[in-house]
Amino acid sequence: EVQLVESGGHLVQPGGSLRLSCAASGFTFSSYGVHWVRQAPGKGLEYVSSISRTGEYTYYANSVRGRFTISRDNSKNTLYLQMEWVRSEDMAVYYCAKERGEADAFDVWGQGTMVSVSA
Amino acid sequence: EIVVTQSPATLSLSPGEGATLSCRASQSINTKLAWYQQKPGQGPRLLIYGASTRATGIPARFSGSGSGTEFTLTISGLQSEDFAVYYCQQYYHWYTFGQGTKLEIK
Repeated sequence: EVQLVESGGHLVQPGGSLRLSCAASGFTFSSYGVHWVRQAPGKGLEYVSSISRTGEYTYYANSVRGRFTISRDNSKNTLYLQMEWVRSEDMAVYYCAKERGEADAFDVWGQGTMVSVSA
Repeated sequence: EIVVTQSPATLSLSPGEGATLSCRASQSINTKLAWYQQKPGQGPRLLIYGASTRATGIPARFSGSGSGTEFTLTISGLQSEDFAVYYCQQYYHWYTFGQGTKLEIK
């Protein structure tokens, strides 16, 4: 079964940091670009970041560029999102997603991990 | 950034009726558009990609159309499990999502 499982979400203070993980199984992880998408409580989906199959190329939404870092370890079939200088507006459920093909729709999504921001 | 706008925000219909959801892009995206369904507490599910191609396992009552800047998701004969929130996404230039349409039971 093709699966993505996020972890690492927890309560963090404003200005703090945390790292999210996404464990992939059931497909050849190194053959696909992967992405992070977030959803604030009661709100819609917001694109966060992407990384290419090899990790050579990365892209970030303006709202997180310079504070978040996406990375992957293909030997561990795992995607990461390092979050620094966290703000209240970063509070959301964070989903990882796999693309169908290069620059294509997202065909597999995880169940999400919640990041809460509060002093 | 390409802005994607969905309408209506909420659609109230009864089981068995047909639903039409709209999505507009701020510039031409050819057919680089996807539709997703999301139910409470779940991650989104891909329904349609390439504006009109159903994803694996998606029932035939779901259909997508459009190109350029105007797109439509049509659901014929609504079933109880179809009541959810629907999002469109452009992937012509990176990625942006519409704000969603909530399909609720009337």
